[in-house]
Amino acid sequence: DVKVTQSSRYLVKRTGEKVFLECVQDMDHENMFWYRQDPGLGLRLIYFSYDVKMKEKGDIPEGYSVSREKKERFSLILESASTNQTSMYLCASSPRGLENEQYFGPGTRLTVT
Amino acid sequence: GENVEQHPSTLSVQEGDSAVIKCTYSDSASNYFPWYKQELGKRPQLIIDIRSNVGEKKDQRIAVTLNKTAKHFSLHITETQPEDSAVYFCAASEDNYGQNFVFGPGTRLSVLP
Repeated sequence: DVKVTQSSRYLVKRTGEKVFLECVQDMDHENMFWYRQDPGLGLRLIYFSYDVKMKEKGDIPEGYSVSREKKERFSLILESASTNQTSMYLCASSPRGLENEQYFGPGTRLTVT
Repeated sequence: GENVEQHPSTLSVQEGDSAVIKCTYSDSASNYFPWYKQELGKRPQLIIDIRSNVGEKKDQRIAVTLNKTAKHFSLHITETQPEDSAVYFCAASEDNYGQNFVFGPGTRLSVLP
């Protein structure tokens, strides 16, 4: 059974803090993704990675960076958190190839005050 | 880039009735269309998907139809049950290496007893 875990379910940070969100998958998937989910906007892709040390910008990369040093781990970094980054963050992974299901983590609800 | 619209944003049906959710996409290169269901407080999970070379696909009470010419696809749920209450997201994906999806904004379906 595919398992995607995220380091925190709830996180509260102050404006200007550096924030790390960690995602780990145990199925040897090549592809990993970070989304943010906001009411009425659905899931918006921030960054994705299709291999170790590879990263691609998604639709809303501004204010975020990522790191993929190991295949199983994909980190999302907010260099200087701002209140408009308050959101639910979802990580997902999928095996390489076409039309493969993305498996989602449980999400991290981040509040920036 | 791809843009996915989804309607309606909310939908209430009586238990036993059918529910239909429609999505349109803009990029004619998209060729894979999954549907995800997200129950309250849980992660999105794939419920059905369709490829561009197929016009319709069924899985028990759930079906998806695709009209490539018009660039729209729909989710049909028959004989709705209270456990179908959730937010449903459609997505479109192009045949690319990274397999990144563009999601619609979601439809909150409520099945009333």
